[in-house]
Order: sequence, then C-alpha cells, then structure tokens
Amino acid sequence: QVQLQQWGAGLLKPSETLSLTCAVYGGSFSGYYWSWIRQPPGKGLEWIGEINHSGGVNYSPSLKSRVAISEDTSKSQFSLKLDSVTAADTAVYYCARGAYNKIQDWGQGTLVTVSS
Amino acid sequence: EIVLTQSPATLSLSPGERATLSCRASQSVSTDLAWYQQKPGQAPRLLIYDASNRATGIPARFSGSGSGTDFTLTISSLEPEDFAVYYCQQRSNWLITFGQGTRLEIK
Repeated sequence: QVQLQQWGAGLLKPSETLSLTCAVYGGSFSGYYWSWIRQPPGKGLEWIGEINHSGGVNYSPSLKSRVAISEDTSKSQFSLKLDSVTAADTAVYYCARGAYNKIQDWGQGTLVTVSS
Repeated sequence: EIVLTQSPATLSLSPGERATLSCRASQSVSTDLAWYQQKPGQAPRLLIYDASNRATGIPARFSGSGSGTDFTLTISSLEPEDFAVYYCQQRSNWLITFGQGTRLEIK
C-alpha cells in the first residue's frame, strides 16, 4: 500500500515562495504521474500540475508562470515551488499519484496560509 | 481547456434512496472521466475511472456511466457514510480539470 507523506511551510507572507515536498513510501516511483492539487477553504479542487514517469512536466495554464515541479527519484520524492504567493494561494495542497487519467493515491494535505 | 459542469450543486436525499449525479463536459472526453468522493477534513478518494470502472475497494452500489460529454454517477441505495462531496475529473492531453462538485446531504 503506497503512502504519500508531504511537508512544507504552512504560513507564508505575500511575495514569498511556497515550497512543498512529497515522499513516496511502499510503492514504485517509476511509471506514474505525480501531481499537485490544491483546494481553497470551502471550495473545489484545482489541479496545479504534474511530473510524469518520463520526467516531463505539465502545468495548469493559470499558474504556469509561477510554478515548478521537480523530482528526486533517488529519494522517491517530488516537490512543488510556487513563486510570489498572494492570499489567493491560501489552500490545502495535496500531492498525489496517478495514472494518465485518474488520481489513485493522495497525500494527507498541507494547509498553506498566505498572510501578512 | 475542457470545462466540467456538475449538477445539481446540492442534492438532499435520505438513506436508502437512489442518488444520481451528473457531470457534463464542454467537449468530448470519450470515456476519460473519473469520479471522487471527499469527506470533510479528508483527501478525495477515487471511486470510478474510465467513466464506468470501480476503483479497488469501492462498493458495488457506486456505478458510473456515460461517454462523450455526459456522465452520471449513481449510488443505488445511500448509506450514511455516502453523504459527502463528489467531484468529476477529466484529462485532455496534458491538462487535468475538475468539476465544481456536488454536495450530497442528508434530507
């Protein structure tokens, strides 16, 4: 049974960089799509982007200019960086594992609050 | 970008009743559609993928149907633990989008 464990700073000031990391335990790192998804308080799910089994990355058009997703296969980890955060970036951020068209496993979520 | 529209926004039913949730895509997604259940304070859980295939461990009362632009998630007889928010999701080439969700609440 795969487990995704994520961590990172939970409180940021406007203009700072959000940084989260997700570690994969109990499952293969290769052959999957590794996504970041966020959910503002009381709202729906928003896909941020992914890194796939070939190391290719895809990002949501609305966040593409500020986001970077990377991987460290030696540690079975992948990471999210989001630049120049504002209050609108306040959300629970999830890391997730999936296949091409489904998301099968989710991390526990990290609440990131942006406030001055 | 393909937009997914879910209806209704809120569905009020009683345990034992049948629930029918709809997801409409702004253009065809073939059968590349998934459904998720989310309970308060929890991460979403995959229920259905490829429009009609139940994920591992999902009870048989959950079923999905549809293709192209119109999809349905049916819960045949509601159990108390089924009251939650449900999302549909699609992938078109490199972009994943979610519907806005349907809240299934106890009547």
